[in-house]
Amino acid sequence: NAGVTQTPKFQVLKTGQSMTLQCAQDMNHEYMSWYRQDPGMGLRLIHYSVGAGITDQGEVPNGYNVSRSTTEDFPLRLLSAAPSQTSVYFCASSRRTSGSSYEQYFGPGTRLTVT
Amino acid sequence: GQQVMQIPQYQHVQEGEDFTTYCNSSTTLSNIQWYKQRPGGHPVFLIQLVKSGEVKKQKRLTFQFGEAKKNSSLHITATQTTDVGTYFCAGNAGFQKLVFGTGTRLLVSP
Repeated sequence: NAGVTQTPKFQVLKTGQSMTLQCAQDMNHEYMSWYRQDPGMGLRLIHYSVGAGITDQGEVPNGYNVSRSTTEDFPLRLLSAAPSQTSVYFCASSRRTSGSSYEQYFGPGTRLTVT
Repeated sequence: GQQVMQIPQYQHVQEGEDFTTYCNSSTTLSNIQWYKQRPGGHPVFLIQLVKSGEVKKQKRLTFQFGEAKKNSSLHITATQTTDVGTYFCAGNAGFQKLVFGTGTRLLVSP
């Protein structure tokens, strides 16, 4: 299994440009999430999905869109990039282990710079 | 909204010394998870605690969940250089919405 894969690894955008960060998992996990990580801060949840066709907002959803047409893929779209979106983006997928627990498997991350 | 604070932000120890990081939530948690992130890497799941007062051990790592399910700690005995990284706690605010702490960065000198 490849686990969780993300592309690209690095990206530089100009303010106002749009792009899609790709995320795929081959573990047949129901749940997928997008986080951003900024220096000195933890990971903040952007959007998440509990299954194909179902998405919901996290803590910092503004400026981002997601869709989940298949179990495997969960792309994150930046509609009009802003310098405040410069960050490292992690995609994660989750499997239920016991009770209400959801052990998260993270991808390698995409380092995005917006100039 | 729910907040999860972690202290200290940074700790530098000599190899062989012990290390502890503390995690405090503003609300009661259904469970708490711990992750480790090596420099330049991605977070890797370590463990999950569910029960009030629960204590779990993984070799030199000891994890505790507070009686009120609002705080947790990770203790590393006799640190090694391989323990270097940032340790995050993540509180389960319900369903899929994990709230991560700010992390404790551990540096171990040989």
